[in-house]
Amino acid sequence: GQQVMQIPQYQHVQEGEDFTTYCNSSTTLSNIQWYKQRPGGHPVFLIQLVKSGEVKKQKRLTFQFGEAKKNSSLHITATQTTDVGTYFCVEEASGTYKYIFGTGTRLKVLA
Amino acid sequence: NAGVTQTPKFQVLKTGQSMTLQCAQDMNHNSMYWYRQDPGMGLRLIYYSASEGTTDKGEVPNGYNVSRLNKREFSLRLESAAPSQTSVYFCASSRKGQGSGELFFGEGSRLTVL
Repeated sequence: GQQVMQIPQYQHVQEGEDFTTYCNSSTTLSNIQWYKQRPGGHPVFLIQLVKSGEVKKQKRLTFQFGEAKKNSSLHITATQTTDVGTYFCVEEASGTYKYIFGTGTRLKVLA
Repeated sequence: NAGVTQTPKFQVLKTGQSMTLQCAQDMNHNSMYWYRQDPGMGLRLIYYSASEGTTDKGEVPNGYNVSRLNKREFSLRLESAAPSQTSVYFCASSRKGQGSGELFFGEGSRLTVL
């Protein structure tokens, strides 16, 4: 079956440091989405990447889709305490309406 | 707009009891989903419904049944609850097939099976 692996599983950073999480799939993806889940909350959509090599930015967040469309990354510049949470990549299984979540990266930001 | 509404928010069951989690969305979305999230883990897809009248198994369907009652509502039933089903359950909906495919989630239902 499909597997979406994310690394690292956990990351603790000092406020102001950068953070990156990586997502790797065993199959070529049609597109990939990123979500953020605050502690005790529900996942909230951040962005969708569709094109090979695509790069999108949202303020301090930079999202990238690999050239082969098998991997993706999320980079946060100068983390803030509001960035705390778990970041998930989500792939849509080709030809279906399934959305498969990655294993997630839990980010803690130390003030 | 309420978005996606789940009930109940909390439930404690004894092993063998049955219950139904309710989910409703008011965004006119075709697709609806049920996920479970165990402590410190990612979300795993239980069942989904691409459109009214259809349901399909996800990654972990065993022990669950679903009903897509109408376009708005998608319920998840546990016929005989087991401790392994202790989890937080999230319902979600999507416009997939109608446009942007992002998932909109409910607040979650925390289920404990003793």
